[in-house]
Amino acid sequence: EAEVAQSPRYKITEKSQAVAFWCDPISGHATLYWYRQILGQGPELLVQFQDESVVDDSQLPKDRFSAERLKGVDSTLKIQPAELGDSAMYLCASSPPSGRARSVDEQFFGPGTRLTVL
Amino acid sequence: DAKTTQPTSMDCAEGRAANLPCNHSTISGNEYVYWYRQIHSQGPQYIIHGLKNNETNEMASLIITEDRKSSTLILPHATLRDTAVYYCIVRPDTGRRALTFGSGTRLQVQP
Repeated sequence: EAEVAQSPRYKITEKSQAVAFWCDPISGHATLYWYRQILGQGPELLVQFQDESVVDDSQLPKDRFSAERLKGVDSTLKIQPAELGDSAMYLCASSPPSGRARSVDEQFFGPGTRLTVL
Repeated sequence: DAKTTQPTSMDCAEGRAANLPCNHSTISGNEYVYWYRQIHSQGPQYIIHGLKNNETNEMASLIITEDRKSSTLILPHATLRDTAVYYCIVRPDTGRRALTFGSGTRLQVQP
């Protein structure tokens, strides 16, 4: 069964350094999401893409975070500079085009990247 | 999206049914109830969803009250692998939108 791929799985960095996370959604999935999950809380949306276009980045801290999906397939999330409060799990999810999902709107999540900022 | 309320944690004996409640008293007529779960150190996984009729699939059953103000997710024969955080999410059927997660219910299945 196809899965959402993310790398790296774990990242340790020092504050003020730059970090980048990569996501490869399931083939054919036009919608891609980046969520951040702080320990003990549910995931929260950072940015949503429809193909290569940003649909919602209202919760993305744009002074330090950036996201791109240049060819509408894989995506990169970058943090520069990293801060202590950025320590969290970063989850990528994707959805197939409307009408083709086996449910109304099922999102498929990757395993996440756990970031620790020291 | 309507707000949901879930118990923080629940225990269940292995092999018994796990019944996870969710309150969504402000749900609107066009909003669906979705359930996802997140096993430790993994991404969330879709379980089931429904509008007003009860639903069943290979993973679970979803019972929605007639007034739609609450629902119950039922895992008929819980196993140790069902230990996870279960999220109840209410959202309208308006295309591809992000999920709004609460804190969920941490279900511990006991041997």
